[in-house]
Amino acid sequence: DTAVSQTPKYLVTQMGNDKSIKCEQNLGHDTMYWYKQDSKKFLKIMFSYNNKELIINETVPNRFSPKSPDKAHLNLHINSLELGDSAVYFCASSQEFWGEKLFFGSGTQLSVL
Amino acid sequence: AQKITQTQPGMFVQEKEAVTLDCTYDTSDPSYGLFWYKQPSSGEMIFLIYQGSYDQQNATEGRYSLNFQKARKSANLVISASQLGDSAMYFCAMREGTTGNQFYFGTGTSLTVIP
Repeated sequence: DTAVSQTPKYLVTQMGNDKSIKCEQNLGHDTMYWYKQDSKKFLKIMFSYNNKELIINETVPNRFSPKSPDKAHLNLHINSLELGDSAVYFCASSQEFWGEKLFFGSGTQLSVL
Repeated sequence: AQKITQTQPGMFVQEKEAVTLDCTYDTSDPSYGLFWYKQPSSGEMIFLIYQGSYDQQNATEGRYSLNFQKARKSANLVISASQLGDSAMYFCAMREGTTGNQFYFGTGTSLTVIP
């Protein structure tokens, strides 16, 4: 059983389109995250939810909107896609304790043409 | 100031040799966790090893060990007997007690194992 699953794995789309990435975790974790990994491999936190409540909201364009229908799901919707949005997006989850590790999904490679 | 610093963008090691990947961290919180992740070319993030700030001994997991020097605020990853499959990006990360939900990642080190 996959602990953190995100779909799709690859997403190729045109500029200006709207797309969503879905994420689900079956670990019973309270906290879920979205990270963006750019071409230089730098991992940047975008959002974090704890029990469906937004707790981390980094400087991200308003075109990005996370949605957490329940604590096991955290989806990412992106409006009006731009070339600079091309990256790998990772969903992750963790228990709410500083000694607990982060579990990553397999990543979504987004290519905006 | 950067919370996590990895100063080696790229490293090379001969197969079967040991290699140390550097990581320094910055925190004033007495409670924190340090983590290492591996990202092979296939892209997934693989957890390798964890060290807690109150742990007295260095963490070890198979061929991986963490050289934890608290006073120097360093948490270097040591890979013994390198294998070709160890070629990957390696990320150091920290999680603090006061900002518990935030993980701070370094910029990564690209390790290449030479046959």
